[in-house]
Amino acid sequence: GIQVEQSPPDLILQEGANSTLRCNFSDSVNNLQWFHQNPWGQLINLFYIPSGTKQNGRLSATTVATERYSLLYISSSQTTDSGVYFCAVDGANSKLTFGKGITLSVRP
Amino acid sequence: GAGVSQSPRYKVAKRGQDVALRCDPISGHVSLFWYQQALGQGPEFLTYFQNEAQLDKSGLPSDRFFAERPEGSVSTLKIQRTQQEDSAVYLCASSSLATLTAWFLGNEQFFGPGTRLTVL
Repeated sequence: GIQVEQSPPDLILQEGANSTLRCNFSDSVNNLQWFHQNPWGQLINLFYIPSGTKQNGRLSATTVATERYSLLYISSSQTTDSGVYFCAVDGANSKLTFGKGITLSVRP
Repeated sequence: GAGVSQSPRYKVAKRGQDVALRCDPISGHVSLFWYQQALGQGPEFLTYFQNEAQLDKSGLPSDRFFAERPEGSVSTLKIQRTQQEDSAVYLCASSSLATLTAWFLGNEQFFGPGTRLTVL
């Protein structure tokens, strides 16, 4: 099946810093989503981005489908950005395959 | 409702007990998915419904796991004779597109808050 790798596995930032989270996948995809899992376990949809670039406030994402990677950018990080970020892809059989996640800690 | 809801939020079961976990998808969503998330891992696919039809159950770990969606809306995941290794968070997701359409247009999934199952 399709493989998803996220990097780095852990990231520690000072409040106000910028960061880039990466997701590599092994095959062509119809769906790519970025999620933020909050401390209560809820998966919050950040972006649905099988290709192209999107922005939402301090967050933006780019997926280069031909090169099989996606990037999530966080600018001016805040302590509330802390948590686990997941990339998940669907290789045309509808089910999402998740990466192992990136644990982000933003320190005040 | 506005989002996917799941109940109960927490469940403690003694080894060998049967449990039933409920998912209420976003109203009108055709597709419904169940995932299992072990501690420190990403969610893993269990099973998928399109309306009332269970189209993929390849991720169910054993025949003790059973899911249904009899009227194409609410779904129940049942685990029989629970074991300690079943302890995990069970997540439900729904999406608005049926499979063939999704193949062309993609298929954004929206997740519920999960049920945390602890088997003692």
